[in-house]
Amino acid sequence: GAVVSQHPSWVICKSGTSVKIECRSLDFQATTMFWYRQFPKQSLMLMATSNEGSKATYEQGVEKDKFLINHASLTLSTLTVTSAHPEDSSFYICSAPWTSGENEQYFGPGTRLTVT
Amino acid sequence: QKEVEQDPGPLSVPEGAIVSLNCTYSNSAFQYFMWYRQYSRKGPELLMYTYSSGNKEDGRFTAQVDKSSKYISLFIRDSQPSDSATYLCAMSAAGRRALTFGSGTRLQVQP
Repeated sequence: GAVVSQHPSWVICKSGTSVKIECRSLDFQATTMFWYRQFPKQSLMLMATSNEGSKATYEQGVEKDKFLINHASLTLSTLTVTSAHPEDSSFYICSAPWTSGENEQYFGPGTRLTVT
Repeated sequence: QKEVEQDPGPLSVPEGAIVSLNCTYSNSAFQYFMWYRQYSRKGPELLMYTYSSGNKEDGRFTAQVDKSSKYISLFIRDSQPSDSATYLCAMSAAGRRALTFGSGTRLQVQP
C-alpha cells in the first residue's frame, strides 16, 4: 500500500503558542489530502480537505483561522494549530487517496498534540 | 442519528475464532466502503476496500456490503492475538472523497 508520513509524531506545547504538523505522501502524489482529529476512545472526525494549489475547505464547526492548512506541493500538506489551547489536545491524522480515480485512502501514523 | 453506526464493543473472542464486525449506515449515497484497523496511538491501516455491493476476500479477511440493507460486515477467520485492535468502518459517496467513520469496535483476541 501507499505510504503517508507525519511529523512530528508527538508534540507538547504551551498554551498560546502555534504548532505545525506535516503530512507527506512518500511514494505517490496527492492533489488532495484530508485532516482528521481523534479524541481518546472516539472515532476520526474530518476537519478539512487540503487541496494543492487552492484553499482548503473546512468542515462545519472547524475554525479556519485557528487551523491553518497549506498544501505546498503534490506531496506535502501542513496543518498549523494557532494559539493552541488545552482543548486542542488531540490526535491529528492526515490521509491521502491513492489514485485520482478511486477512493482508497491511506493514513499517516498520526500526531499527538498535548497543550499545557 | 449518526450517519454510520458501529458497536463500540469491546468484543472478546478466543484465538482461532471467527470474528464478525458490522456497521450500518443511513446515507444511501455511500458507494465506497472501507475497513481500517487501528492500534492504540497509531494511524488507521487500510484492511479492505470495496465499491458498491458484494463480497471481497483477502487472506483471513472477508468484507461484505449489502447496500439494500445499508449494512456492511468484516469477517476475520482464524483470529490471532495480533488482531487485537480497534476496527473502524469508513465510507464515502461518489464525488466526495472524505470518509465518514463509524465509532470503531475494539476487538480483543484471547490467546
